[in-house]
Amino acid sequence: AQSVTQLDSQVPVFEEAPVELRCNYSSSVSVYLFWYVQYPNQGLQLLLKYLSGSTLVKGINGFEAEFNKSQTSFHLRKPSVHISDTAEYFCAVSPLSEKLVFGKGTKLTVNP
Amino acid sequence: EPEVTQTPSHQVTQMGQEVILRCVPISNHLYFYWYRQILGQKVEFLVSFYNNEISEKSEIFDDQFSVERPDGSNFTLKIRSTKLEDSAMYFCASSPSGGPYEQYFGPGTRLTVT
Repeated sequence: AQSVTQLDSQVPVFEEAPVELRCNYSSSVSVYLFWYVQYPNQGLQLLLKYLSGSTLVKGINGFEAEFNKSQTSFHLRKPSVHISDTAEYFCAVSPLSEKLVFGKGTKLTVNP
Repeated sequence: EPEVTQTPSHQVTQMGQEVILRCVPISNHLYFYWYRQILGQKVEFLVSFYNNEISEKSEIFDDQFSVERPDGSNFTLKIRSTKLEDSAMYFCASSPSGGPYEQYFGPGTRLTVT
């Protein structure tokens, strides 16, 4: 079975500061890795994904994530956040099947 | 931009009642999914559906649950006899290609069972 741990339930930062949202996973098989974002009253939107190849993955809105197999991590980063990045962020893995296995989410609040 | 829509946004029902949650996937998508998120917990996979058949389901998806594509545009989740623990946000998703690669999610239906 797979599981995803997002260590921080809430992350407050100031505008233009860098941010890192942490994600660790466990799996006995190879997985694909994803980050989704949910803005208020909207559905989950795919930010980026790692399927294979380069371990540094770039996504939408200036976000990037790095897959670290030895540490089983897939942390999400942005060098300079905006107020509009305030949202909930979900890390997910897939054991090469139809389903996504999600973490509990991290609420990012960007303050002026 | 096309999007997945879900109705209603909030449904309140009494324990033991049947509920049907409705979703309109993106029009050229062929794969459909339901997930749920109990308050304060993780988003959990329920079921995937392709070519009018369930392709994968979780252990949560027991005989109380069923899915249907009654026409060319809707995708529904039925809960036959709701329990208090069915209270959750239910997300529908669709994908053009199957697998986990590109699932597009709706805004969710909040189900409250009293």
